[in-house]
Amino acid sequence: QLQLQESGPRLVTPSETLSLTCTVSGGSVNSEVDYWGWIRQPPGKEMEWLGTVYYTGTSYINPSLPNRVTVSVGPATNQFSLTLSPLTGADTATYYCARADTESDPVFDLWGPGILVTVSS
Amino acid sequence: TVMTQSPDTLSVSPGGRATLSCRASRSVRTNLAWYQGKPGQPPTLLIYDSSARATGVSDRFSGTGSDTDFTLSISNLQSADFGIYYCQQYNDWPFISFGPGTRVDV
Repeated sequence: QLQLQESGPRLVTPSETLSLTCTVSGGSVNSEVDYWGWIRQPPGKEMEWLGTVYYTGTSYINPSLPNRVTVSVGPATNQFSLTLSPLTGADTATYYCARADTESDPVFDLWGPGILVTVSS
Repeated sequence: TVMTQSPDTLSVSPGGRATLSCRASRSVRTNLAWYQGKPGQPPTLLIYDSSARATGVSDRFSGTGSDTDFTLSISNLQSADFGIYYCQQYNDWPFISFGPGTRVDV
């Protein structure tokens, strides 16, 4: 059974770079039908899609975050990653990784539990 | 595509019925999903393709609508149904967008 798990720092300093990894257990990111995404939700605020990556490495980034977000496959074959910089307090949020199975409709049907990241000095 | 939802908060009694609205700033055809969110948990997919229930979702949840106007109805509300409901368009896949959510309270 496929499961996702986010990992990375929970406290980061403003102006630095956030790097998160999502580990896919019970499967691989090398799937022709799956897309892998990152979504965040600041405390008490709306969910925001950050970016999505395909196993080929092709990525799609929210145009509202130009030049701040990178999503990629790896470092391991069952992982995909997010980087966000430079950080501000507005980036404090719970970050989720998720899977969209495009064999039916491309919706995020499987999510990790989320990781709360606080940006503070 | 900008998604809006109404009302912001809906108070419903257990056993009652909730009707939630979602509007898209331009047509998304039926490429609309609904998720349930609860504190400390990731969102759970309820509905996709405007009206198709995800695997394991109770038939108390029903979705309707197309183009710009959508509705999620929840009948015979149970305690587990209380939370925040989000709509999300995927007509622009992979560029998706979420609505701000409707909180369903007791």
